[in-house]
Amino acid sequence: DAGVIQSPRHEVTEMGQEVTLRCKPISGHNSLFWYRQTMMRGLELLIYFNNNVPIDDSGMPEDRFSAKMPNASFSTLKIQPSEPRDSAVYFCASSSTDRASYEQYFGPGTRLTVT
Amino acid sequence: AQSVTQLGSHVSVSEGALVLLRCNYSSSVPPYLFWYVQYPNQGLQLLLKYTSAATLVKGINGFEAEFKKSETSFHLTKPSAHMSDAAEYFCAVTGAGGGYQKVTFGIGTKLQVIP
Repeated sequence: DAGVIQSPRHEVTEMGQEVTLRCKPISGHNSLFWYRQTMMRGLELLIYFNNNVPIDDSGMPEDRFSAKMPNASFSTLKIQPSEPRDSAVYFCASSSTDRASYEQYFGPGTRLTVT
Repeated sequence: AQSVTQLGSHVSVSEGALVLLRCNYSSSVPPYLFWYVQYPNQGLQLLLKYTSAATLVKGINGFEAEFKKSETSFHLTKPSAHMSDAAEYFCAVTGAGGGYQKVTFGIGTKLQVIP
């Protein structure tokens, strides 16, 4: 199993530019999570999808952030326009809610730097 | 609602010494509890989990944790630290039962192993 795949691994962009982060969950998993990790705030849940439907987006910071999951094998997190305070490591994780343990499998993350 | 408190953002131990990372939780429903490990520039990886079976849970790399309901604790231990254990460790909690239950992560504890 390839695990959760994220791209790009690193992204450096200028303030105001659009940024798109991509995620491929583990095949067969029907839940997908986007997290943001910073030194100040730790690991924060941004959005949760179940069966491709957004269930909990209460963690999305503001309208500049949007996420989509057009099918079971692909999700994107978009920031438009980006700001320096968006600099963080963004993780995608997937799980199978068929398992009561709610164990999540994390991708390697995308390190975003906005200058 | 659930929350976790990890006592000590940084812990240093000598190689071969006992590792003890503390986690206390708060949950309005019976909890599921997890410990994840994050190595530099990688995503989180599950170490072990408690899902209401045995209260003493054994995980990978020689780690174990004991669920103590009376103390609302789920401390992580390893009898003898190895240099490869140097990483950041996250305690997490979610509610047991069906349906969507958000996983809440602690702020993390960085473990340093001194030769």
